[in-house]
Amino acid sequence: GQNIDQPTEMTATEGAIVQINCTYQTSGFNGLFWYQQHAGEAPTFLSYNVLDGLEEKGRFSSFLSRSKGYSYLLLKELQMKDSASYLCAVRDSNYQLIWGAGTKLIIKP
Amino acid sequence: IAGITQAPTSQILAAGRRMTLRCTQDMRHNAMYWYRQDLGLGLRLIHYSNTAGTTGKGEVPDGYSVSRANTDDFPLTLASAVPSQTSVYFCASSAEPADSSPLHFGNGTRLTVT
Repeated sequence: GQNIDQPTEMTATEGAIVQINCTYQTSGFNGLFWYQQHAGEAPTFLSYNVLDGLEEKGRFSSFLSRSKGYSYLLLKELQMKDSASYLCAVRDSNYQLIWGAGTKLIIKP
Repeated sequence: IAGITQAPTSQILAAGRRMTLRCTQDMRHNAMYWYRQDLGLGLRLIHYSNTAGTTGKGEVPDGYSVSRANTDDFPLTLASAVPSQTSVYFCASSAEPADSSPLHFGNGTRLTVT
């Protein structure tokens, strides 16, 4: 079966750095997405990786290793507004998105 | 403001009743999707449409139907609601179904079936 694994919850301190990991086992690979979802709101797009390496976008970076079936989202200079769930999703060989259950990130002052 | 509009925002529905969740986008996206989101689970695809006039079944299609008569609208119908269909339903769209274009989500419909 297809599977996306993420930690259920993480806690970090305002101003610090946090890394959210995502491992996947899917039938094929056609890209990996990270989304942010605040409580009670819709998911919003953060990043996309299809080749190995690091994609940087402001305070957020996303890394991919296709050989290891592994990605991480790195959040720097954490702000209280970064408290949210972070969803990892992989597009499989049929171009369908397989979603992880999400990581709830709690930021403490 | 361009985006996806879902209606209603929330609904309490008696089991056995029929219900249509509405979804409209104004971005001229070809692909549209319906997901349900339940606590502790990832988003699960119910039905999708790669272009107007075509639809396909996702991971959890039973009890749901969709239509795509035009580019903008993608309604989801529950023919006879059951309590296990209590969930938050998200409609989403993307420019194309199989490239790097991200999904844009509506604000969701919170449905409770009693």
